[in-house]
Amino acid sequence: EIVMTQSPATLSVSPGERATLSCRASQSVGSNLAWYQHKPGQAPRLLIYAASTRATGIPARFSGSGSGTEFTLTISSLQSEDFAVYYCQQSNNWPPLTFGGGTRVEIK
Amino acid sequence: EVQLVESGGGLVPPGGSLRLSCSASGFTFRTYAMNWVRQAPGKGLEWLSYISTGSNTMYYADSVKGRFTISRDDADKSLYLQMYSLRPDDTAVYFCARGAGTLDSWGQGTPVTVSS
Repeated sequence: EIVMTQSPATLSVSPGERATLSCRASQSVGSNLAWYQHKPGQAPRLLIYAASTRATGIPARFSGSGSGTEFTLTISSLQSEDFAVYYCQQSNNWPPLTFGGGTRVEIK
Repeated sequence: EVQLVESGGGLVPPGGSLRLSCSASGFTFRTYAMNWVRQAPGKGLEWLSYISTGSNTMYYADSVKGRFTISRDDADKSLYLQMYSLRPDDTAVYFCARGAGTLDSWGQGTPVTVSS
């Protein structure tokens, strides 16, 4: 099973600032990496797939990069609606599909 | 608009059973693979099960293999998760999600509490 590790666990950012979230895989997942946003009581939302492709309707301030074992999600200028928990997930070698533990982005 | 609506959650004693449903609308359900994912209190997302189009292939996480069964009814546009031998650590919000690998649409979840 591929283990996904996200850092940091919590990121405190002021509105308008840049946020950089990291995700590491225990073995190469190629570019088969997705990022999701999850707010309490809501459905998780797909942000990025194939490591760097924005899903339909996702604002351009969200960008993904990386391949192999190291990945990054960048939010260029945080808006109030972006404070949430973000998960990475690999689909290169499954089952099982595996998620990282999440990064909580909170208001500084 | 794609919509996935889960139902069937509730309070069940340890060792009990429960059947979750996910009703789909806004897309051609039979042409998409589907999944169940859960989130235990204070924890992250955990993938549980996958079913292919045509119900040809099913996969399960080790944590639920032999206790949970995934199924679908394409005529009814519905996905199901039959859960047996429930344990306290199965307490979670259960989500259905569309896709084969990348999960591009999710429901809001239905809560399951396993407690005496």
